[in-house]
Amino acid sequence: EAEVAQSPRYKITEKSQAVAFWCDPISGHATLYWYRQILGQGPELLVQFQDESVVDDSQLPKDRFSAERLKGVDSTLKIQPAELGDSAMYLCASNHPGRTKNTEAFFGQGTRLTVV
Amino acid sequence: LAKTTQPISMDSYEGQEVNITCSHNNIATNDYITWYQQFPSQGPRFIIQGYKTKVTNEVASLFIPADRKSSTLSLPRVSLSDTAVYYCLVGDLDTSGTYKYIFGTGTRLKVLA
Repeated sequence: EAEVAQSPRYKITEKSQAVAFWCDPISGHATLYWYRQILGQGPELLVQFQDESVVDDSQLPKDRFSAERLKGVDSTLKIQPAELGDSAMYLCASNHPGRTKNTEAFFGQGTRLTVV
Repeated sequence: LAKTTQPISMDSYEGQEVNITCSHNNIATNDYITWYQQFPSQGPRFIIQGYKTKVTNEVASLFIPADRKSSTLSLPRVSLSDTAVYYCLVGDLDTSGTYKYIFGTGTRLKVLA
């Protein structure tokens, strides 16, 4: 069964350092999402791509976070500089748009970030 | 996007049927109702989706009354492995065909032996 791949699974970084996460969606899925999930809370949407274009990044802290999906396939989420409050699980998801009755997003295993 | 309200937590025993109700008073005409399950340290997993009345799959049933202002996820005969957080989402496709998934705080289900 096809899966959304994320790496690394775990990352420990010092505050003020840069950190990056990678996501490879399911082949053919044009829509890609990045979420941040703080322990005990639901996932929070950070950015949504349709192919290589950003559809929604209203909740992305743009002073330190950036996301790209240059070829409309895999994507990278970067934080620079990292802050202690960025410690969370970062989840990537993908979906195939246009299936009007398909509301199923496929999530990866996530990257657990700890900022020390 | 319609906001959803769910109980924060529920306990149940193995073998029992569990019903988790979600309130979505401001659901729009085109909105679908979707439920996800999440285990610790894993991404959410799609369980079931519906628009009205009743939907059943191999995992769960989803009951939606005529006014669609609430929905109930029913898990038959739960086991310990059903201990997880369950999220109710409502939303629709935008003009580009993309769906926006906005999660609330979810319901933490704990199944006891």
